[in-house]
Amino acid sequence: NAGVTQTPKFQVLKTGQSMTLQCAQDMNHEYMSWYRQDPGMGLRLIHYSVGAGITDQGEVPNGYNVSRSTTEDFPLRLLSAAPSQTSVYFCASSTGRNTEAFFGQGTRLTVV
Amino acid sequence: AQSVTQLGSHVSVSEGALVLLRCNYSSSVPPYLFWYVQYPNQGLQLLLKYTTGATLVKGINGFEAEFKKSETSFHLTKPSAHMSDAAEYFCAVSGGNQGGKLIFGQGTELSVKP
Repeated sequence: NAGVTQTPKFQVLKTGQSMTLQCAQDMNHEYMSWYRQDPGMGLRLIHYSVGAGITDQGEVPNGYNVSRSTTEDFPLRLLSAAPSQTSVYFCASSTGRNTEAFFGQGTRLTVV
Repeated sequence: AQSVTQLGSHVSVSEGALVLLRCNYSSSVPPYLFWYVQYPNQGLQLLLKYTTGATLVKGINGFEAEFKKSETSFHLTKPSAHMSDAAEYFCAVSGGNQGGKLIFGQGTELSVKP
């Protein structure tokens, strides 16, 4: 099993550009989440989904959009990149409420 | 609301010494508690978790943690540090209607000196 796969691994954007971070899981997990990791701040939840067609905001949703059309995929869209969005982004999936989350390898994004 | 506080952003121990990483949580509902480890340039890997039942939880690589409700703590320990334990460690909490959401602490970077 591949688990949780994130693409790309690295990305450099110019301010104002848009892009989509891809996340796919092959474990048939209902729950999927996006986090950003910044030094000294741990991981902060951006958006999450409890199933196909259902998404909700996390702690830091501004500037990001998500959709969940299939169980497997949960892309994260940056609408107009800003330097404050320079971070490492992690996608995670889990079988359900309060269960272990499985993480992807991360996408390191730099906005210049 | 739930929150996690990890005491000490950086901990340094000698090889063979006790490892103690501190985690305190706040939760208005029965908590589910997790410790994750992150090696450089990698994703997070589960070390151990507490759901219900036995309060002393054993995980991978010789780590264990004890859930103490009265102290709202879930400290991570390992009797003897190894060089390969050098990594960043995150404590996280979920529970109640939080669904698949995990609330993370700030992280503790563990250094192991030879």
